[in-house]
Amino acid sequence: RKEVEQDPGPFNVPEGATVAFNCTYSNSASQSFFWYRQDCRKEPKLLMSVYSSGNEDGRFTAQLNRASQYISLLIRDSKLSDSATYLCVVLFGDKIIFGKGTRLHILP
Amino acid sequence: GAGVSQSPRYKVAKRGQDVALRCDPISGHVSLFWYQQALGQGPEFLTYFQNEAQLDKSGLPSDRFFAERPEGSVSTLKIQRTQQEDSAVYLCASRSQGQNTEAFFGQGTRLTVV
Repeated sequence: RKEVEQDPGPFNVPEGATVAFNCTYSNSASQSFFWYRQDCRKEPKLLMSVYSSGNEDGRFTAQLNRASQYISLLIRDSKLSDSATYLCVVLFGDKIIFGKGTRLHILP
Repeated sequence: GAGVSQSPRYKVAKRGQDVALRCDPISGHVSLFWYQQALGQGPEFLTYFQNEAQLDKSGLPSDRFFAERPEGSVSTLKIQRTQQEDSAVYLCASRSQGQNTEAFFGQGTRLTVV
């Protein structure tokens, strides 16, 4: 089983819709969790950290479920500029592991 | 510059050639990571350093891959006798200590083996 698993998509979503991604991780001792965004031919950049209590940043909401070992990202009122690959990132000790990414296409 | 810097940005190598990829992390960042990213895939972990110590190299695909960070700052990823399957983007990231600190990435080196 892969350490971090994501649905690769692509998700094709009309502008203005709400879209959610899930990610599961295998190591229950994982400490920290992040969502990164990667645009085509660019490096990954931090979108948001994921905290146990859940956190929100504008149209983006991230949640962590330690019991079921998954994290989620919800994007509300999606914009064309949200089109990208979203990478689930898990920290084991000092080692950072990425999922394969979920591709999102926002359709006009 | 304040960010992670990688060089070269692009490298074309003939099969069998040795290559060296350089990463300058953010000053003061203790942890440095190397990833390999094939087209359409997420970054795959190769190895990481804490200062000059290479703590995990389990992701290196073969003994042709070698990484070093001799003074705990700049790191070099070396690939010997390159093969076509080595073609990918090689990403370097650095991170300061702390549980929720983010990793910052360089722009990557796109290696094409012909």
